[in-house]
Amino acid sequence: DAGVTQSPTHLIKTRGQHVTLRCSPISGHKSVSWYQQVLGQGPQFIFQYYEKEERGRGNFPDRFSARQFPNYSSELNVNALLLGDSALYLCASSAQFNYGYTFGSGTRLTVV
Amino acid sequence: QQQVKQSPQSLIVQKGGISIINCAYENTAFDYFPWYQQFPGKGPALLIAIRPDVSEKKEGRFTISFNKSAKQFSLHIMDSQPGDSATYFCAASNRIRDDKIIFGKGTRLHILP
Repeated sequence: DAGVTQSPTHLIKTRGQHVTLRCSPISGHKSVSWYQQVLGQGPQFIFQYYEKEERGRGNFPDRFSARQFPNYSSELNVNALLLGDSALYLCASSAQFNYGYTFGSGTRLTVV
Repeated sequence: QQQVKQSPQSLIVQKGGISIINCAYENTAFDYFPWYQQFPGKGPALLIAIRPDVSEKKEGRFTISFNKSAKQFSLHIMDSQPGDSATYFCAASNRIRDDKIIFGKGTRLHILP
């Protein structure tokens, strides 16, 4: 079985640009969450979606947005990139809300 | 405010020894306490988890000890192996309210061969 798939694996962007990160959950999983992991720190919660509805939002600015599609895949958008947005962005999926999550390997975003 | 505090930041253990990582939490509404293992270039993987109504949970060489009154929990890795070398994160969540996982800052564990 394929795990959680994230694309791209690595990305370099310039300050002020926009980025879209994509996530395909494990087949049958309806819940997707996004986390930001800065080097040397634990992951921080950004968003959670369940059945295409936003169920939770972390303490991130409005430059961050996300959505979930009918096939349960998801994308995370970040506008007006800052140097501080450089991090590993992790997607996690779960079969249902309030259940164990499986993380993908992440997208490494570098903002220069 | 850091809701889950983890120590030590790094740990070196001899092969065959016991690795111990400690965590403390503040929010008594947390009802689920997982531990994650992360290797370089990979996402965190769930290792073992415990609910606050249980004082200890063991899975193979990994044991969680939970002290609800002290709001502390710890991970013990028995017979530590070089393959256990990774970063470990304790975490907590309130699964009734939402499914947001609050992670500690992590412990880099190195097992000497």
